Amino acid sequence: QQPVQSPQAVILREGEDAVINCSSSKALYSVHWYRQKHGEAPVFLMILLKGGEQKGHEKISASFNEKKQQSSLYLTASQLSYSGTYFCGTVQTGANNLFFGTGTRLTVIP
Amino acid sequence: NAGVTQTPKFQVLKTGQSMTLQCAQDMNHNSMYWYRQDPGMGLRLIYYSASEGTTDKGEVPNGYNVSRLNKREFSLRLESAAPSQTSVYFCASSKVGTGRSNQPQHFGDGTRLSIL
Repeated sequence: QQPVQSPQAVILREGEDAVINCSSSKALYSVHWYRQKHGEAPVFLMILLKGGEQKGHEKISASFNEKKQQSSLYLTASQLSYSGTYFCGTVQTGANNLFFGTGTRLTVIP
Repeated sequence: NAGVTQTPKFQVLKTGQSMTLQCAQDMNHNSMYWYRQDPGMGLRLIYYSASEGTTDKGEVPNGYNVSRLNKREFSLRLESAAPSQTSVYFCASSKVGTGRSNQPQHFGDGTRLSIL
């Protein structure tokens, strides 16, 4: 039931773009995205509900394709502060809880 | 705003000892959660409480018990600690249950637990 994230890790230079993918084998009601910096708590970024919406948060946006049971997180013009591990969490249709992926470690270098 | 507060922040136990991890939130949230985070495994749900007076098992409940003491507080107890329970434990809360809602979960800073 755990979603699969890809890639597992990515290194970017400041100003470059990245895409993080999250896919599930189950029908989804919603997808959550969180960022966690080393030694800290996960911090909420955004939620996407089924309906194929795309949302944005600063220069970070995401899309949700419920038919494909996939979501993607887009980071544009990356900044050093974007470094951290990104987790998607999925809520399956009819379920009550989040299942988190194993995370994507993003490192932005000068 | 304190948000979600967890105590203790660090703890070392010996195998077989018991302990309780405390969690309190001041956001008037109805739902609370306990997760464990292990390297390469992401966050896995141990137990959750959809509302005061209710608790339910998550993905990995074995070896743990919980108490929803009141609306603010949700504790996690290890009755007989085992080395496999070495992990970072996070408590989280949300306004209402995550299922069929657009409410995010807010996490505490975690408890780093080592069992020797």
